[in-house]
Amino acid sequence: AQTVTQSQPEMSVQEAETVTLSCTYDTSESDYYLFWYKQPPSRQMILVIRQEAYKQQNATENRFSVNFQKAAKSFSLKISDSQLGDAAMYFCAYAPGGGNKLTFGTGTQLKVEL
Amino acid sequence: GAVVSQHPSWVICKSGTSVKIECRSLDFQATTMFWYRQFPKQSLMLMATSNEGSKATYEQGVEKDKFLINHASLTLSTLTVTSAHPEDSSFYICSAPNPAEETQYFGPGTRLLVL
Repeated sequence: AQTVTQSQPEMSVQEAETVTLSCTYDTSESDYYLFWYKQPPSRQMILVIRQEAYKQQNATENRFSVNFQKAAKSFSLKISDSQLGDAAMYFCAYAPGGGNKLTFGTGTQLKVEL
Repeated sequence: GAVVSQHPSWVICKSGTSVKIECRSLDFQATTMFWYRQFPKQSLMLMATSNEGSKATYEQGVEKDKFLINHASLTLSTLTVTSAHPEDSSFYICSAPNPAEETQYFGPGTRLLVL
């Protein structure tokens, strides 16, 4: 069975600084997708970024980028120029090829301080 | 991006009653939808996969007679919590994959409180 581990229950970052959230996963599949979702206090799940396992290039979306280390089964999220609106719970998620059935990590609560 | 709606957003019911939650994909068709449950400050746990035109697939430990799922059309899935009890109180979230984007979109969730 696939598992997703987020070892940081909470993280804090100063506004405008950079923070990295960690995620590791375990799978025997070769074709899969990895995601970072953001859940603000409204509890609406918002896709932040996605990575296809077959792509070696790390995905980027504006201030958000990932460090995908396939051999190490590591998928960290870097948030640059942190903003107050980035404060939320962040979930790392895994899906097998086809990208449908998601397995979530336990989440990291990110606080952004002035 | 695509939009998924859920209704109702909030429901309070008495113990023993049944509650129906609707999940709709508003601008794309979804042959599959997913239902999750989330307790406070915890992660999302997949309950079941809703399949249009066939029976839902339930995750281990989820009672299929308790949580009835019907995928009535390519844009609508419903979750009915039957004979609800206080321990069923939770936040229920649905999601639908948009095949054109190979991305799942989530509904805003439904808070259920059983008294």
